[in-house]
Amino acid sequence: GQNIDQPTEMTATEGAIVQINCTYQTSGFNGLFWYQQHAGEAPTFLSYNVLDGLEEKGRFSSFLSRSKGYSYLLLKELQMKDSASYLCAVRDWDNYGQNFVFGPGTRLSVLP
Amino acid sequence: DTEVTQTPKHLVMGMTNKKSLKCEQHMGHRAMYWYKQKAKKPPELMFVYSYEKLSINESVPSRFSPECPNSSLLNLHLHALQPEDSALYLCASSQDEQGSNYGYTFGSGTRLTVV
Repeated sequence: GQNIDQPTEMTATEGAIVQINCTYQTSGFNGLFWYQQHAGEAPTFLSYNVLDGLEEKGRFSSFLSRSKGYSYLLLKELQMKDSASYLCAVRDWDNYGQNFVFGPGTRLSVLP
Repeated sequence: DTEVTQTPKHLVMGMTNKKSLKCEQHMGHRAMYWYKQKAKKPPELMFVYSYEKLSINESVPSRFSPECPNSSLLNLHLHALQPEDSALYLCASSQDEQGSNYGYTFGSGTRLTVV
């Protein structure tokens, strides 16, 4: 199984940069995903990392270090619409098959 | 079509009612999932269907009964629910149970209230 941890809440200012961290403990690691979820809506896919390093996609970037069991999501030029929960999810394999488990999520509030 | 469609969007039901949640995708995905999400909590996996066969049941009470009539459809039949079952029920799909670089595609969910 997995043990995934994220900060519960974060606050940042419009136009700023924020980094949301995710730590995990698992065996059979097979990828880490970041999802954005606005209140009452479905999670939407943001990024995927399976190898170490940084993946950049517009204003959003995601980093992975497999040896440290660590990832972060970096949001640049924050906008009010970025206020949402950000979910880190880890995919791994065990004797029973594939698992895909969400972390507790980080609620980000962007202030004017 | 790159969407997962769930109906209804909202459902209020009594504890003696029988209702069904429906999920549909036409992306050719062969794995489909039901998740339950309580307020301010992450989604929790309930069931996994892979190639129309139930592959994972995460110890979900029998008052929840999944059904996969074909590779595009997934139902969740509800009977004799409890108020604590009130939650957002999310359907998701992926290319197969091994997943892909995009993880899962989620539907917009059904907001269920049990009274």
